Amino acid sequence: QVQLQESGPGLVKPSETLSLTCTVSGGSVSSGSYYWYWIRQPPGKGLEWIGHIYFSGSTKYNPSLKSRVTISVDTSKSQFSLQLSSVTAADTAVYYCASYYYESGSHHRKFDCWGQGTLVTVSS
Amino acid sequence: DIQMTQSPSSLSASVGDRVTISCRASQSISSYLNWYQQKPGKAPNLLIYATSTLRSGVPSRFSGGGSGTDFTLTISSLQPEDFATYYCQQSYSLPTFGQGTKVEIK
Repeated sequence: QVQLQESGPGLVKPSETLSLTCTVSGGSVSSGSYYWYWIRQPPGKGLEWIGHIYFSGSTKYNPSLKSRVTISVDTSKSQFSLQLSSVTAADTAVYYCASYYYESGSHHRKFDCWGQGTLVTVSS
Repeated sequence: DIQMTQSPSSLSASVGDRVTISCRASQSISSYLNWYQQKPGKAPNLLIYATSTLRSGVPSRFSGGGSGTDFTLTISSLQPEDFATYYCQQSYSLPTFGQGTKVEIK
């Protein structure tokens, strides 16, 4: 069973860059059956996908965040990472990494594994 | 983007009640619909995928149905551990979530 663990600073200053890493264990970040996602949840609110990366390095970002987001993968360390630039208080949220499993036969996809989440607060 | 709208936003129910949560997509998504349960301070947890397939280990009191644009999650007999927030998510295109339905104790 894949396990995911987020790591990174819990406090970021406005206008700076938020950086988080997700470590994948019990599975391979090089698996062609998974997309590796970052999702966030502002306090008391719903879930918003930030973007994903495939093992090949191809990425897709939420259009609302696209200009500020970079997701990268390091297959040698079994990690993928998020950078969100020019943060404001509106970026304060719990950030989750998650695995999105793709069933090649049915084409169904599902978030089958999530990290525990890490609260990132944007404040001076 | 495909918009997902859940109703109600919250509900109060008692242990043993039958509970139904609705989820509507802004366009047809066939059967590409998943449901998640989230408890306070925890990550969401997959309950149902492909509209009606229970994830292994999920109790049979949970069921999902629908197709096209209208979907439901039903809990046949609410248990104390089911009080949580439930989210639908479409997997037809880039994923989007409903706003959540909080199930509270009456």
